[in-house]
Amino acid sequence: EAAVTQSPRNKVAVTGGKVTLSCNQTNNHNNMYWYRQDTGHGLRLIHYSYGAGSTEKGDIPDGYKASRPSQENFSLILELATPSQTSVYFCASGDADWGGAYEQYFGPGTRLTVL
Amino acid sequence: GDSVTQTEGLVTVTEGLPVKLNCTYQTTYLTIAFFWYVQYLNEAPQVLLKSSTDNKRTEHQGFHATLHKSSSSFHLQKSSAQLSDSALYYCALRDGSSGNKLIFGIGTLLSVKP
Repeated sequence: EAAVTQSPRNKVAVTGGKVTLSCNQTNNHNNMYWYRQDTGHGLRLIHYSYGAGSTEKGDIPDGYKASRPSQENFSLILELATPSQTSVYFCASGDADWGGAYEQYFGPGTRLTVL
Repeated sequence: GDSVTQTEGLVTVTEGLPVKLNCTYQTTYLTIAFFWYVQYLNEAPQVLLKSSTDNKRTEHQGFHATLHKSSSSFHLQKSSAQLSDSALYYCALRDGSSGNKLIFGIGTLLSVKP
């Protein structure tokens, strides 16, 4: 069965510190995505990738960087974490099916608290 | 720009009664696919339904939705809500402008009461 895993599942960071969130997928999907989820805002796209070596800015990329070193792995990096980045972060992977729908499969999420 | 609108932030319904979650969209591009995602407490979002055919009813796990391009809608319905249906529901679409991305609504929290 297709699987997306994330680590860590919970993280407490200090303001100004560096945080790296990791995502691994065994779906062999070309596309991977990072979202944050906040009450009242739903799922917002931070960065995404078309394949190994590529990263693209999503709707809210400020304060975040991404890295896609391989087909399977996609990381989200907060170089200087701020309390406003306290949120739940979801990674997803997906490819087009026969109908052109890019169904996305989500990981379990990482709860990040920046103090 | 393209958007998906879910008008209710919270829908509360009594167990056994019908429920309808609204989803409308706005796009000037060719629409390709529509989704309803469900997210149970402390879990990941997962696909509940998907459709790309106008006026065709799609069903899964007792829920159904029909894409109506004439009214730009893809409402989610169930005839008899269950306590286990309590969750956060997202409507999403892919169209010609979104590339390999999905455009999500902000979600509707469904609370089913005994």
